[in-house]
Amino acid sequence: GNSVTQMEGPVTLSEEAFLTINCTYTATGYPSLFWYVQYPGEGLQLLLKATKADDKGSNKGFEATYRKETTSFHLEKGSVQVSDSAVYFCALSDTDSNYQLIWGAGTKLIIKP
Amino acid sequence: DAGVIQSPRHEVTEMGQEVTLRCKPISGHDYLFWYRQTMMRGLELLIYFNNNVPIDDSGMPEDRFSAKMPNASFSTLKIQPSEPRDSAVYFCASSLGRIRETQYFGPGTRLLVL
Repeated sequence: GNSVTQMEGPVTLSEEAFLTINCTYTATGYPSLFWYVQYPGEGLQLLLKATKADDKGSNKGFEATYRKETTSFHLEKGSVQVSDSAVYFCALSDTDSNYQLIWGAGTKLIIKP
Repeated sequence: DAGVIQSPRHEVTEMGQEVTLRCKPISGHDYLFWYRQTMMRGLELLIYFNNNVPIDDSGMPEDRFSAKMPNASFSTLKIQPSEPRDSAVYFCASSLGRIRETQYFGPGTRLLVL
């Protein structure tokens, strides 16, 4: 079946550091891939997405590239801010799951000033 | 657009009581999802609707849980009777078009069952 694996958190970085949060997936079809972010006390919101291989999603300085050869969708940001502290979820949707979102466990990111 | 609206935002109740959570999806969206989030189990899909019809309720934990969507602008998730292990944050989300499209989440209802 389909699955998503994220790096365990928490990830603690200093402000202006480079961020990578790893996400790998298993899927039998051609999934769409998503990163959602959850700020403290709020619901999840879409950060970026990619719908086919080699697509790059980007938003708010975050980027992720759909790598079919390595089945990965790693989230990156060149210079993080304290306001980026949140929980980040990787997810996929695929025909196998009737297009339901399959979620990773989430990675908590803590940015220290 | 007001976004997905959930009420109440917080609910504290005693074991055995009935709990009703409410959701108003974004106007025009035809998919509605109910999720539960806990530290132990992460984010779990409980049930989803398409055009007010329940499509998949395989995530509903047991018969104590029920969900309805009487019209396109309102859905409820009911727990009767509630138990302490139901304590969690419950999210409602909606999307437009095919299920693989972006889901928009509400702020959640934080439920504590004593």
